Amino acid sequence: DAGVTQSPTHLIKTRGQQVTLRCSPKSGHDTVSWYQQALGQGPQFIFQYYEEEERQRGNFPDRFSGHQFPNYSSELNVNALLLGDSALYLCASSLPGSQQYFGPGTRLTVT
Amino acid sequence: AQTVTQSQPEMSVQEAETVTLSCTYDTSESDYYLFWYKQPPSRQMILVIRQEAYKQQNATENRFSVNFQKAAKSFSLKISDSQLGDAAMYFCAYRILQNSGYSTLTFGKGTMLLVSP
Repeated sequence: DAGVTQSPTHLIKTRGQQVTLRCSPKSGHDTVSWYQQALGQGPQFIFQYYEEEERQRGNFPDRFSGHQFPNYSSELNVNALLLGDSALYLCASSLPGSQQYFGPGTRLTVT
Repeated sequence: AQTVTQSQPEMSVQEAETVTLSCTYDTSESDYYLFWYKQPPSRQMILVIRQEAYKQQNATENRFSVNFQKAAKSFSLKISDSQLGDAAMYFCAYRILQNSGYSTLTFGKGTMLLVSP
């Protein structure tokens, strides 16, 4: 049974560019949550998707957007990248209201 | 605002010894879950132990146990017989179930655990 997978593992972007990160949930899970983990900090909730709709959102600007596909996989898009967007981006999957399982994360570096 | 506080940025322990990591939280909810996650250098967030707030009995998973004090909003993790493989960043987190039926995790800033031979 494959767990949560994320791609790419790491990437480097330049300020002002746009980036798309991808997540495939654990088999049987239909809810995907995204977290940003800055260096030396705990993960912070960005948003959560269920049935292809954003259900909850944390305190992040509109530059952060997402999408969920019919197969429950999800994308996180960040526009107009800032240096401060450099972080580890974690995806977690679950059933609604249940325990979340994390992927290995994508390390984003903005130069 | 709901918060999780881990007051120990770093802790050290020798192999085979016992160490306790502290965590306090602030929530007005009465029903919630508490977690300890381990994040090794590989970055994979691994669930160590969980505690349901309505349960008075402290959770235990092999060498890992918690001391849950609901009134004090305290949730500490005790690691017994520490092993080199326990070295990692440990995060305390809680989860409440929203009226919408959805839930998210709120994390502390973490405690780095160093284990020496």
